[in-house]
Amino acid sequence: NAGVTQTPKFQVLKTGQSMTLQCAQDMNHEYMSWYRQDPGMGLRLIHYSVGAGITDQGEVPNGYNVSRSTTEDFPLRLLSAAPSQTSVYFCASSADRNNSPLHFGNGTRLTVT
Amino acid sequence: GDSVTQMEGPVTLSEEAFLTINCTYTATGYPSLFWYVQYPGEGLQLLLKATKADDKGSNKGFEATYRKETTSFHLEKGSVQVSDSAVYFCALRDSNYQLIWGAGTKLIIKP
Repeated sequence: NAGVTQTPKFQVLKTGQSMTLQCAQDMNHEYMSWYRQDPGMGLRLIHYSVGAGITDQGEVPNGYNVSRSTTEDFPLRLLSAAPSQTSVYFCASSADRNNSPLHFGNGTRLTVT
Repeated sequence: GDSVTQMEGPVTLSEEAFLTINCTYTATGYPSLFWYVQYPGEGLQLLLKATKADDKGSNKGFEATYRKETTSFHLEKGSVQVSDSAVYFCALRDSNYQLIWGAGTKLIIKP
């Protein structure tokens, strides 16, 4: 029972490089989201999706893109990495956005130098 | 806007001690309230929740009561174990169904 799978676990980028963080869930959840976790700041929502083909911005969307072509996958793209994007990134999913609990992946630790 | 404030950590206790982690919130309306736990190297997982005033959420010996009059949702456990060492996050679901998170409280339990 895989749940939410994130890859890679660790990544180091140079400023200006681009990359995609992968997220896949096997629970047929409609709602998926990306958070970043920074010390002393809790979790901040980057982007979210309420179903395939639908995405929306969260609290801190600048510098990130997402797409939701299938129910299972929700990749997060960094277009031109900046040191301010050094963080731990979590993907989460739930059956719906208003009542169901979030299921989190194990995170991706990204360092931008 | 809505917000959640948690006590700063780390909180260090001995095994079998009583635990309280404070959480207060500001919100319009009557949000649902949550405690999530993050064990080392893992993602967050739901610990307990309460959806209306005076509800008590409970799980794994942890409890929290939704107090509307004090806008609080403090997490308690009567006797902690080393395995409870983790980071605990308080959160509310706002009127747009988004989760608003506290900064997290690191709990360290010493044997």
